[in-house]
Amino acid sequence: NAGVTQTPKFQVLKTGQSMTLQCAQDMNHEYMSWYRQDPGMGLRLIHYSVGAGITDQGEVPNGYNVSRSTTEDFPLRLLSAAPSQTSVYFCASTSTDTQYFGPGTRLTVL
Amino acid sequence: SQKIEQNSEALNIQEGKTATLTCNYTNYSPAYLQWYRQDPGRGPVFLLLIRENEKEKRKERLKVTFDTTLKQSLFHITASQPADSATYLCALDPSGGTYKYIFGTGTRLKVLA
Repeated sequence: NAGVTQTPKFQVLKTGQSMTLQCAQDMNHEYMSWYRQDPGMGLRLIHYSVGAGITDQGEVPNGYNVSRSTTEDFPLRLLSAAPSQTSVYFCASTSTDTQYFGPGTRLTVL
Repeated sequence: SQKIEQNSEALNIQEGKTATLTCNYTNYSPAYLQWYRQDPGRGPVFLLLIRENEKEKRKERLKVTFDTTLKQSLFHITASQPADSATYLCALDPSGGTYKYIFGTGTRLKVLA
């Protein structure tokens, strides 16, 4: 079991560029979520999904889109990157009240 | 306003001593509370979960308490080791079962040899 995987590990974007952060899990969990982690702010929920075809907004959804076409994959899209989106992004899948986190993607927007 | 408060200052303790970390919350009545460990450059790793009807939970050298009246959880590491040095996060599900977790900012623990 690989658990939760994320790609890429690092990314540098210019303002206005778009990109997709990939997340996959092999534990057959229905619930998946995306967080961003900023210094002094803790982990904040961006979007989450309770199953294939179902997504909803978290605390800080603006500037991000998600979709969930399969149980395994939950990509996060930045449509037009802004410097305020510079952060570390974590994907997690949840089962039995326990979250399993991926290794994270460190994104810098110039 | 901060919804979950953890001591944002680093906690330094001597090896072998007991480390105690605090998690305070307001405006919620969570059914359970979680504790995670996060090492630099890595994702959080689940450690323990304690439910509202449990006063205390233990796992090896770890102990968590949950006081729903004080709205506080305490996380203890006994016989601490330098390998325990990390940031520890608490989290709760404010809506009960929606999995829309809220995290504290974490407390950085450093165990000195």
